[in-house]
Amino acid sequence: DQQVKQNSPSLSVQEGRISILNCDYTNSMFDYFLWYKKYPAEGPTFLISISSIKDKNEDGRFTVFLNKSAKHLSLHIVPSQPGDSAVYFCAASGMNRDDKIIFGKGTRLHILP
Amino acid sequence: EAGVVQSPRYKIIEKKQPVAFWCNPISGHNTLYWYLQNLGQGPELLIRYENEEAVDDSQLPKDRFSAERLKGVDSTLKIQPAELGDSAVYLCASSLGTGGKGANVLTFGAGSRLTVL
Repeated sequence: DQQVKQNSPSLSVQEGRISILNCDYTNSMFDYFLWYKKYPAEGPTFLISISSIKDKNEDGRFTVFLNKSAKHLSLHIVPSQPGDSAVYFCAASGMNRDDKIIFGKGTRLHILP
Repeated sequence: EAGVVQSPRYKIIEKKQPVAFWCNPISGHNTLYWYLQNLGQGPELLIRYENEEAVDDSQLPKDRFSAERLKGVDSTLKIQPAELGDSAVYLCASSLGTGGKGANVLTFGAGSRLTVL
């Protein structure tokens, strides 16, 4: 039973355009959401996060939107750059410090020249 | 500052052989995690340490997997005996573990890729 779902295994976007990566979750107890980025042969690196008390968090070219009623979040990258080509993992955890962090399966983003 | 260091990066063994992975977390990070990542999947937690105490090992297959973090710093993850299905990337991560949002921001190592033949 997947609690965090990334239904698009891959996504191709033209350089300079907006990339939108989507994530759905099923557990209403999730309180904190994160996006990680992973290059080949490297570990995932933290990109951006959002708490459930917010519906938007922005950091430079990266913005995460949270729709709690739909149990949906999305990561927007604009403008997309070649270095953004990577696998992006959505992750979620509950309110308590001991709650597990659950990762989605990831979406592979290809930025086309 | 060095990040999370893992070794070996790659390991190829025959089934039924033992294997061990080592992790050195970021200095000052009390919480250490071992994750398993299968091809095409996201990381799945195997075990979490708070200092030297294993506070969540519910997903660790204890019949063949073991882990330790004796002095609350470095950690080793062992598989004995290895099976074909253990072929995967084993990721170590650490966090401040102070509670709140900081506890959820993990810093991962590059991983140890295991191939069992």
